[in-house]
Amino acid sequence: DAKTTQPPSMDCAEGRAANLPCNHSTISGNEYVYWYRQIHSQGPQYIIHGLKNNETNEMASLIITEDRKSSTLILPHATLRDTAVYYCIVTGGYQKVTFGTGTKLQVIP
Amino acid sequence: DTEVTQTPKHLVMGMTNKKSLKCEQHMGHRAMYWYKQKAKKPPELMFVYSYEKLSINESVPSRFSPECPNSSLLNLHLHALQPEDSALYLCASSRGPPGGAYEQYFGPGTRLTVT
Repeated sequence: DAKTTQPPSMDCAEGRAANLPCNHSTISGNEYVYWYRQIHSQGPQYIIHGLKNNETNEMASLIITEDRKSSTLILPHATLRDTAVYYCIVTGGYQKVTFGTGTKLQVIP
Repeated sequence: DTEVTQTPKHLVMGMTNKKSLKCEQHMGHRAMYWYKQKAKKPPELMFVYSYEKLSINESVPSRFSPECPNSSLLNLHLHALQPEDSALYLCASSRGPPGGAYEQYFGPGTRLTVT
């Protein structure tokens, strides 16, 4: 599996955009970038995924660099309910999903 | 309906007990997963069932025994557990096998305490 690197923690002011970076420099051509989040003591929640192009859904946007070696998850207007651990995962070609240590996002009032 | 349900929510068991965790999904997903999560750590994959057949076993001790009776149900049978097995056990499902473009949907988990 390709390894991902995320900052251990970040703060974001409520109402502002939260930009969560992820490095995946060893990603291969058939591997997708996935983002999940886990709010305290709950099961992880799928947010978004992409292969090459930028993606947007009702929860977030995913920006993938042209060389695909890094990506950024954007929560456009963070709320207190977005406080969670965010996991960036690279997987594809029938590989299993391996969670890294993630980024603990704290949204501050 | 994008819900994965797990029962029970909490379970306390002794080291000599036998118990089972149950997971259910009605999304027509063909892959189901068991993860174990210790406090302040990321989830760790234990087992994957794909089309009702065990496809991945991450070298899990035999005191954990998975079962997939049908495409909607996944059980985890527990026997002779150790206190270090205390953790949050998460079930997930996806439309297709691991990898590819199939996101996983997780249940709320079962908090297991082994005394």
